[in-house]
Amino acid sequence: NAGVTQTPKFQVLKTGQSMTLQCAQDMNHEYMSWYRQDPGMGLRLIHYSVGAGITDQGEVPNGYNVSRSTTEDFPLRLLSAAPSQTSVYFCASIDSYNEQFFGPGTRLTVL
Amino acid sequence: GESVGLHLPTLSVQEGDNSIINCAYSNSASDYFIWYKQESGKGPQFIIDIRSNMDKRQGQRVTVLLNKTVKHLSLQIAATQPGDSAVYFCAERSSYKLIFGSGTRLLVRP
Repeated sequence: NAGVTQTPKFQVLKTGQSMTLQCAQDMNHEYMSWYRQDPGMGLRLIHYSVGAGITDQGEVPNGYNVSRSTTEDFPLRLLSAAPSQTSVYFCASIDSYNEQFFGPGTRLTVL
Repeated sequence: GESVGLHLPTLSVQEGDNSIINCAYSNSASDYFIWYKQESGKGPQFIIDIRSNMDKRQGQRVTVLLNKTVKHLSLQIAATQPGDSAVYFCAERSSYKLIFGSGTRLLVRP
């Protein structure tokens, strides 16, 4: 199993640009989530999904959209990037024992 | 609002000594707590968890203690090794939502 994969690893955007952060897992987990981590901080939940076709907001959802058309994929879309969205983004999935598996992260810089 | 915080931002210990990392939480309704280890440039890695109906849980070289009376959580690492150097986060879970603390950096001196 590849576990949780994320692409790209690094991205630089200009203010106002849009992009999609990709996340995929091959463990057949129903639950997936997106977090952002700012320097010296813990992770904050952006959006999560409890299964294909079902998504919900976390702590900091503004400026982000998600969709879950398949069990495997959970992309995160930035509609109009802002410097405040400069962060490291982590995708995670949860197994049936409630253990979270995190991807390697995407480091995003918005100029 | 709900919050999970840590008392010490940086902890420096001698190799071979025991380490204790502390965490305070505010949501008394949380029923599940987790400790994560995060190495530089990597995602958080699960270390150990504990449910609110337990006071103590042991793993390999790690022990988590939960004191619900004062809403305090601690992670004990026995015989700390250089490979234990990382940032440690506690988190509390409500439904599928994880609330993380700000982290403690553990430095292991040779």
